Amino acid sequence: AQKITQTQPGMFVQEKEAVTLDCTYDTSDQSYGLFWYKQPSSGEMIFLIYQGSYDEQNATEGRYSLNFQKARKSANLVISASQLGDSAMYFCAMREIQGAQKLVFGQGTRLTINP
Amino acid sequence: GAGVSQSPRYKVAKRGQDVALRCDPISGHVSLFWYQQALGQGPEFLTYFQNEAQLDKSGLPSDRFFAERPEGSVSTLKIQRTQQEDSAVYLCASSLDGGNEKLFFGSGTQLSVL
Repeated sequence: AQKITQTQPGMFVQEKEAVTLDCTYDTSDQSYGLFWYKQPSSGEMIFLIYQGSYDEQNATEGRYSLNFQKARKSANLVISASQLGDSAMYFCAMREIQGAQKLVFGQGTRLTINP
Repeated sequence: GAGVSQSPRYKVAKRGQDVALRCDPISGHVSLFWYQQALGQGPEFLTYFQNEAQLDKSGLPSDRFFAERPEGSVSTLKIQRTQQEDSAVYLCASSLDGGNEKLFFGSGTQLSVL
């Protein structure tokens, strides 16, 4: 069974600093996808970034990058130059490429950006 | 529509009442998912549709929960004889297809059972 672990319940960061949100995963599948979603207080889950298990390069999307270390089964999200609007819950999730299609989520990390 | 639409946004039910939650996915999206999110937790998978076919309902917590997508577009999640433990946010998501396609989520329906 797939499992996602996010060990940081909360993070506090000064505006404009970079922040790393940790995510480790467990799976026996060879082919899978890793996702990060942001959930502001409005409740909607907003897609941030995707990394495929066979992608050799770390994914980047604007200020977001994914530090993918396959051997360690980690997929940390790095946000550069944090902004006040980055304050939200952040969820790491995994999905099989073949077979079951569901996303499995971690418990989330609440990020607070201080001015 | 432009995004995934869910209604109602908020629902208050007395224990024992039946409720129906609606999800209108992005037009053309084949895959549709329902998730349950308890307060302070990550979303938990409930069920998955590919077009009108319900391919996975392994996450439905009891036979009081029922989902349908009869024409392969709009989906309804029905909860019969609601219990207090059913209180949660119910999220709907859709994707163009499976695999590495990202899921687009709605804003959810917050269900409170009194």
